[in-house]
Amino acid sequence: GAVVSQHPSRVICKSGTSVKIECRSLDFQATTMFWYRQFPKQSLMLMATSNEGSKATYEQGVEKDKFLINHASLTLSTLTVTSAHPEDSSFYICSARPRDYGYTFGSGTRLTVV
Amino acid sequence: AQSVTQLDSQVPVFEEAPVELRCNYSSSVSVYLFWYVQYPNQGLQLLLKYLSGSTLVKGINGFEAEFNKSQTSFHLRKPSVHISDTAEYFCAVSLNTGTASKLTFGTGTRLQVTL
Repeated sequence: GAVVSQHPSRVICKSGTSVKIECRSLDFQATTMFWYRQFPKQSLMLMATSNEGSKATYEQGVEKDKFLINHASLTLSTLTVTSAHPEDSSFYICSARPRDYGYTFGSGTRLTVV
Repeated sequence: AQSVTQLDSQVPVFEEAPVELRCNYSSSVSVYLFWYVQYPNQGLQLLLKYLSGSTLVKGINGFEAEFNKSQTSFHLRKPSVHISDTAEYFCAVSLNTGTASKLTFGTGTRLQVTL
């Protein structure tokens, strides 16, 4: 139980376009989800906390207008990278925390902006 | 604010040898501790967690960790590693058990198991 599904696993987009990444909790309801970014050979950095039915909470230094987060239901949060540029290329991972479990992570999305 | 330190960025070890991956944390309040494993281009998988109770925590794949409050440590151990244990390991901490509680990661330790 407690599975988080993340799609797509890989995406390549042209510079200037937008990309949407979906994160779904398959067998539990998640009022809160977390979005992380991971650069090669580095740790996970929390970008924002997604809250169902309300605005996301962004970490310091994260551009909220560039990384749009929508948490419209108890099982779905989306991260949209707007006007993507090569420096946005990274590995993005979502996470949720079912009660009584440790945090559960999606399988990640490798974004490459060309 | 809490923080996590993983002093070893890489740990090379021979197959069937024991291994210890070190993790120290800093916090002014009680914390909850986790170890995660990440294989290339994948998300994170929970190895084990300490919430309360016994300080020796057993996890999956033969791993265990011991919570030491006086030394603010939560080192991960395995008595005999396999090639398949080669991966990145992250220690993490949260301040409470709430579903909205943030998780703070250490910088990770690359475990490289060779024959």
